[in-house]
Amino acid sequence: KNQVEQSPQSLIILEGKNCTLQCNYTVSPFSNLRWYKQDTGRGPVSLTIMTFSENTKSNGRYTATLDADTKQSSLHITASQLSDSASYICVVSPYNTDKLIFGTGTRLQVFP
Amino acid sequence: NAGVTQTPKFQVLKTGQSMTLQCAQDMNHEYMSWYRQDPGMGLRLIHYSVGAGITDQGEVPNGYNVSRSTTEDFPLRLLSAAPSQTSVYFCASSYLSQGDSPLHFGNGTRLTVT
Repeated sequence: KNQVEQSPQSLIILEGKNCTLQCNYTVSPFSNLRWYKQDTGRGPVSLTIMTFSENTKSNGRYTATLDADTKQSSLHITASQLSDSASYICVVSPYNTDKLIFGTGTRLQVFP
Repeated sequence: NAGVTQTPKFQVLKTGQSMTLQCAQDMNHEYMSWYRQDPGMGLRLIHYSVGAGITDQGEVPNGYNVSRSTTEDFPLRLLSAAPSQTSVYFCASSYLSQGDSPLHFGNGTRLTVT
């Protein structure tokens, strides 16, 4: 069964620190892997989209990496800010289908 | 651009009542979809559409109907609400259904069925 698993479920860090969120997936083959940020009470917002042939993609202080051999992706947040407090969702798009597979997300809290 | 607009933001229904969740986008996107988000679960696809006049079922379609008469609008109808349909509903759209086209989400409708 196609699955996307994220770890940790929740994470607390201090403002200014870096952190890395993990995503493991069993979807194969796949077209792309996406990371979304979801603020409380809002809809998810796209951070990065990587095709299966890409290893890394950045969006400001957010850097996503992809290892298609081990079926792992990570999202690295540099110099965290209070506004980074949100849920981060990993999403995999199986090849040749309209249906995305969503992870359950990592809840990040950044404290001053 | 307003992006994806969902109404209402909150709704309380009694079991058996019907209602329509509205979704509109102003980005001329062909692909539109409805998801539900429940605690401890990833977003699950209810129905989707790849263009006006075309709809298809997602992962959890039972109890919901959709139609797509225009490119802009994609309403979701609950036929006879059940407590199991208590959830947060998100509408999303994108330029393409596949490839590297990001999904644009609305801010959700929080539905409670009593």
